[in-house]
Amino acid sequence: GDSVTQMEGPVTLSEEAFLTINCTYTATGYPSLFWYVQYPGEGLQLLLKATKADDKGSNKGFEATYRKETTSFHLEKGSVQVSDSAVYFCALSDQTGGSYIPTFGRGTSLIVHP
Amino acid sequence: EPEVTQTPSHQVTQMGQEVILRCVPISNHLYFYWYRQILGQKVEFLVSFYNNEISEKSEIFDDQFSVERPDGSNFTLKIRSTKLEDSAMYFCASSMVVYEQYFGPGTRLTVT
Repeated sequence: GDSVTQMEGPVTLSEEAFLTINCTYTATGYPSLFWYVQYPGEGLQLLLKATKADDKGSNKGFEATYRKETTSFHLEKGSVQVSDSAVYFCALSDQTGGSYIPTFGRGTSLIVHP
Repeated sequence: EPEVTQTPSHQVTQMGQEVILRCVPISNHLYFYWYRQILGQKVEFLVSFYNNEISEKSEIFDDQFSVERPDGSNFTLKIRSTKLEDSAMYFCASSMVVYEQYFGPGTRLTVT
């Protein structure tokens, strides 16, 4: 079945550091890929998405590129802020069979220190 | 900005008791979902609901679970006889388009 693997956390960085959170996937079809973010005490929010190979999703300074050849969708940000501290979830939605239900990774906690 | 709300934020119950988790989806959304996340594990899909009926459910969503939209605003998840392994964070979500879901903050269910 479909699965998403993301790097273990927590990831601890100083403000203005470069961020990479790795995500790889396996899917039977041709999935859409997503990153969700969960700030403390809040629900998951869609951060960015990409629906086909080589697409780059971007939002709030974060970006991720859909790499079909390496089945990856790594999240990057050039300069993190304390306010980026949250849990980040990689997910895929494989629309084979008409289902759009996303499959999530375990989440990666990001802690940014001033 | 409209948001999905969930109550209570934390529910403690004894094994074998029934619990009802409540959600108020965004008002013009058409699709409704429940997910759960056991501590340290993945977010898992439970059930989706559209046009007043279940449209999809996972293997986790067995006869102990049920969902209901009793009025125009609430969407509930009932667990009839809770087990220890039902302890988890339960997330409600709603969407206008199927792949762009808006999640609530979650209800932490603790079964003792």
